[in-house]
Amino acid sequence: DAKTTQPTSMDCAEGRAANLPCNHSTISGNEYVYWYRQIHSQGPQYIIHGLKNNETNEMASLIITEDRKSSTLILPHATLRDTAVYYCIVRPPLLMNRDDKIIFGKGTRLHILP
Amino acid sequence: GAVVSQHPSRVICKSGTSVKIECRSLDFQATTMFWYRQFPKQSLMLMATSNEGSKATYEQGVEKDKFLINHASLTLSTLTVTSAHPEDSSFYICSARTGGKGETQYFGPGTRLLVL
Repeated sequence: DAKTTQPTSMDCAEGRAANLPCNHSTISGNEYVYWYRQIHSQGPQYIIHGLKNNETNEMASLIITEDRKSSTLILPHATLRDTAVYYCIVRPPLLMNRDDKIIFGKGTRLHILP
Repeated sequence: GAVVSQHPSRVICKSGTSVKIECRSLDFQATTMFWYRQFPKQSLMLMATSNEGSKATYEQGVEKDKFLINHASLTLSTLTVTSAHPEDSSFYICSARTGGKGETQYFGPGTRLLVL
C-alpha cells in the first residue's frame, strides 16, 4: 500500500469546517483513498472513500487533487463529538485482493475547541 | 454502515487464564475478519487475518499459539488469548469486510482486556 503523510494534530473551532490534509504522492492508479476516525476508547469508524472524483456523504466530503497525490477530508460543521484521531489510508479496491488488509499509520489527532 | 459487534466490551482476568473475545458481523456476511491490538497512545496494530473455514494468517511477531483465532461461520470470529499475562492487557478490535459492490471494512467497538 502507498504510504500516507498526515499532520500529527490539528485544532478547529466548533461550528467551523475542519479540513484534514493527507499526502499520498506514491499512490497507484487503482488505489483508493479511505478515511477512518477513532474516537477515544472506541473502534475505528468508516467515514468515506474515493478514487479520483470528489465524494460527499452525510458525514464528510473528500476532495482529491487532480494528480491524486493528496486529498483533504472536510467536516463541514465540526462539533465537539468530532474530536478523534483521523486516519487516511490508500489501498487497492478490496475486491482485487481478498488478502489485502488495512494498516494504520499514526493519523491526525483533531481537537474541536468550544 | 454495516455493524460489527464484540463481546465482551471489557474483561478482567487473572494471569495464566484464557480469555475468549467474540466478533460478529450483525447485518452482513464476512468471509474475512481481522484482529487488531492497540496499546495506549498508539495506533492499531494488525495481529491476524481470519478467513472463514481456513486457518488464520498471523502478522510477523504475533504468536499463533497464544492468540487462537477461529472463524467458524460467516458472521462470527473468535480470538482466544491463552495463558494471559499482564503484558497482554490491551484494547482488542476486530474488523469485518463486507462483500459485493462497494465493499469496505468495518470495525467493532473493541474489547478492553486487563490481566492482573
